[in-house]
Amino acid sequence: EAQVTQNPRYLITVTGKKLTVTCSQNMNHEYMSWYRQDPGLGLRQIYYSMNVEVTDKGDVPEGYKVSRKEKRNFPLILESPSPNQTSLYFCASSLWGRGADTQYFGPGTRLTVL
Amino acid sequence: TQLLEQSPQFLSIQEGENLTVYCNSSSVFSSLQWYRQEPGEGPVLLVTVVTGGEVKKLKRLTFQFGDARKDSSLHITAAQPGDTGLYLCAGRSGSNYKLTFGKGTLLTVNP
Repeated sequence: EAQVTQNPRYLITVTGKKLTVTCSQNMNHEYMSWYRQDPGLGLRQIYYSMNVEVTDKGDVPEGYKVSRKEKRNFPLILESPSPNQTSLYFCASSLWGRGADTQYFGPGTRLTVL
Repeated sequence: TQLLEQSPQFLSIQEGENLTVYCNSSSVFSSLQWYRQEPGEGPVLLVTVVTGGEVKKLKRLTFQFGDARKDSSLHITAAQPGDTGLYLCAGRSGSNYKLTFGKGTLLTVNP
């Protein structure tokens, strides 16, 4: 089944404790992206990757890191999480990331930073 | 930063009623997409429009892209409880890799 998977689905952590949210897709897509979704603010793009080893900042990249060493994986790294990073995070992928591409979303990761 | 304004933000209607959701911007988009998101899940694509003035129909849902490619609308005929969800519009401009989302319209259809 074609899908985007994220792990973990739920995470509660404390300020300053480094964490990684994994994202994997099995559709051989070139483009992958991370979003955060907050009430009243909608979906905002954190980082995106057009290809292996090629990444760029979205609208809200501060406090996050990403890497794209393999086509199928695009982990999101919070080196020193803070409470304002408490949010619902979505990973997404699409074939090229341009034009009328369909973007496929993962199920989401709900992160709480205490 | 390009902005997409969605209205209304919340909409609660009775089963069988019609409704329209709007997505507006001052920027031109090369393509505009509508997604639907249910609680606990990621957004799922409903439709993509790319040509100014384009109209697409998906059963009871009608999507329109403005002539100037700055706005779009989603019309639902005879809404059903199964249409309940968060409707998001998203736009991409030119060769830009970034996809900009509106804040969404939360639709509740009561039986």
